[in-house]
This record gives sequence, structure tokens and C-alpha cells, in this order.
Amino acid sequence: QSALTQPASVSGSPGQSITISCTGTSSDVGRYNYISWYQWHPGKAPKLMIYDVSNRPSGVSNRFSGSKSGNTASLTISGLQTEDEADYYCSSYTSSSTVVFGGGTKLTVL
Amino acid sequence: QVQLVESGGGVVQPGRSLRLSCAASGFSFSTYTIHWVRQAPDKGLEWVTVIWYDGSNKYYADSVKGRFTISRDNSQNTVYLQMNSLRAEDTALYYCARDHSGGDAFDIWGQGTMVTVSS
Repeated sequence: QSALTQPASVSGSPGQSITISCTGTSSDVGRYNYISWYQWHPGKAPKLMIYDVSNRPSGVSNRFSGSKSGNTASLTISGLQTEDEADYYCSSYTSSSTVVFGGGTKLTVL
Repeated sequence: QVQLVESGGGVVQPGRSLRLSCAASGFSFSTYTIHWVRQAPDKGLEWVTVIWYDGSNKYYADSVKGRFTISRDNSQNTVYLQMNSLRAEDTALYYCARDHSGGDAFDIWGQGTMVTVSS
């Protein structure tokens, strides 16, 4: 159950777009469309932003979008806002019927 | 109000046991799968275990398999996590989370309960 691979940090300016990658294997990301993304602010519980690769829960801004190609999933945030500054985690269902998270990516909005 | 509330955390010596509880309210608890996720200090999220809505299936991370047991009481709207043979590396904030739609996406999270394993 190795963690999914995410970049440690990404940054962007307000109004720009950024993409966070999440690389797994053919036993998790590459096999299933059960990919989720979470936003985490310190001291708060994680918030679901994307599920099933590209679906947004009710109330999540359409500036957030998800996609997948092969063993890599991606989260794109367009029109960056200061409140988007947070840690982002991906997760995937696995062939062992478990769930694996990525190591997390710190987004800095400059 | 849809919510999950964890309890039972605390400081425990290595090798000892602890039982966490996750109380649900505001939704039809017996129709939802529930997970436990933990976060060690200054570390990322780590999935721990899951129990299906009816308790028929349970799965565990390798790091806790054989030591932790998940269970639920749908009459009490509560999920439990029995943690035995605790180790220093189990020190973390433990969250319970509701499975959104069977796809292992967690849409409702509790506030977490802290477990510290230390002598």
C-alpha cells in the first residue's frame, strides 16, 4: 500500500490556473475511477472537492476540476483565489479493497 | 444537521489498548459505509479501515491489520475502532468519515480525536 505520489508544493498567482498531479499504479489509479481530492486547512477537517475522478459535490466551486490519464490523476484549480491556499490530497480505491492517499501538496497562492 | 463526532482518544502507553467511537446524526446511518482516517502530527492523511453499511465487510490498512478492529452498532448510530497493541507510530488525530456513494469518497468528516501513544 504505497502512497500515491503528489508534488510536495505548487504555487500560483491569483487568477492563474494550477494543476496538481497524483500518480499511482495499475492497481489503484489506473484501474478504478474512484479518485477523490480533498482540501485541508490546518485545524480543520478535510473537505471533499472532487469524487469519481471528475465529479464535484454540491457547493464546490466549478473552478475545481479533475481528470485522469493512465496511472495519473490531476486536479486543476482555475482562477486561483487566496482562500484556495491549502493542502490538497488525492485518494484512490485499490485492488485490495482499501484506500490509499497521496502524500499531499501544499498550494501557495502568491 | 449531518455530523460525525469522534470520542475516546487520549494518552496511552505502548502495548495498551484504546477504543474510539464515532457517533452519527442527521442522516440515515445504517445506509452508509464509514471509514477511519488518521493524520500523524505534521504528516499526511492515512486511511485506516472501513466498515460497510451493514457491517458485512471490513478492510484494514496493512499498518493496523491484526491490531485494530472496526465494528458498528446501527441501533446506536455508532462506529467503533478497537485499537490493541498500540505503538508510537499510531500517534495521530483519528477521523471518522462517511462514504459519499460507495466510491470511497469521504463527504462528511468528524472533528477528529487525538491518540497519543507514549510511555
